[in-house]
Amino acid sequence: GIQVEQSPPDLILQEGANSTLRCNFSDSVNNLQWFHQNPWGQLINLFYIPSGTKQNGRLSATTVATERYSLLYISSSQTTDSGVYFCAVPAPFNNNDMRFGAGTRLTVKP
Amino acid sequence: NAGVTQTPKFQVLKTGQSMTLQCAQDMNHEYMSWYRQDPGMGLRLIHYSVGAGITDQGEVPNGYNVSRSTTEDFPLRLLSAAPSQTSVYFCASSYSSVNTEAFFGQGTRLTVV
Repeated sequence: GIQVEQSPPDLILQEGANSTLRCNFSDSVNNLQWFHQNPWGQLINLFYIPSGTKQNGRLSATTVATERYSLLYISSSQTTDSGVYFCAVPAPFNNNDMRFGAGTRLTVKP
Repeated sequence: NAGVTQTPKFQVLKTGQSMTLQCAQDMNHEYMSWYRQDPGMGLRLIHYSVGAGITDQGEVPNGYNVSRSTTEDFPLRLLSAAPSQTSVYFCASSYSSVNTEAFFGQGTRLTVV
């Protein structure tokens, strides 16, 4: 099946710093999503981004589908950005079956 | 707006017991799915449904049953709970499985002893 690898697994930042999270995937995809799981366990959809670049406030994401990776940028990080960030892509030949990476755990310190 | 509602939030079962995790959404979404999340791992798809009366297996379906009699509800049944099913379960819905935003419930933390 498709492999989804996220890096780094853990990231600790000081408030105000910028960061880049990476998601590599092993097969061609037509769908990629980024999610944030906050410290209370709630999952929030950040971006649907199969290709190109999108921005939402301090967050932006870029997917280069031909090179099989996506990047999530967090600028001017805040303590509320803490949590785990997941990317997910569909399994081969089944867009209904989303496969998640193991996540990047981000801790933003005040 | 309620969004996606899961019940219960916490549950402890004894090995061999059965139970149903409830999931309801009020957004008229066609696509609903169940995931489990184990420590240090991402979510893994258990079952999904692309509409009322239609269900299919995901990556880890063994030990779980689902049905979709209405657009709003998508219950997950554990027929005979096992300790390996100790996990956090999430229900999600979206307008379709592609090109649209997914909404998640708050999760159900299940412990099987």
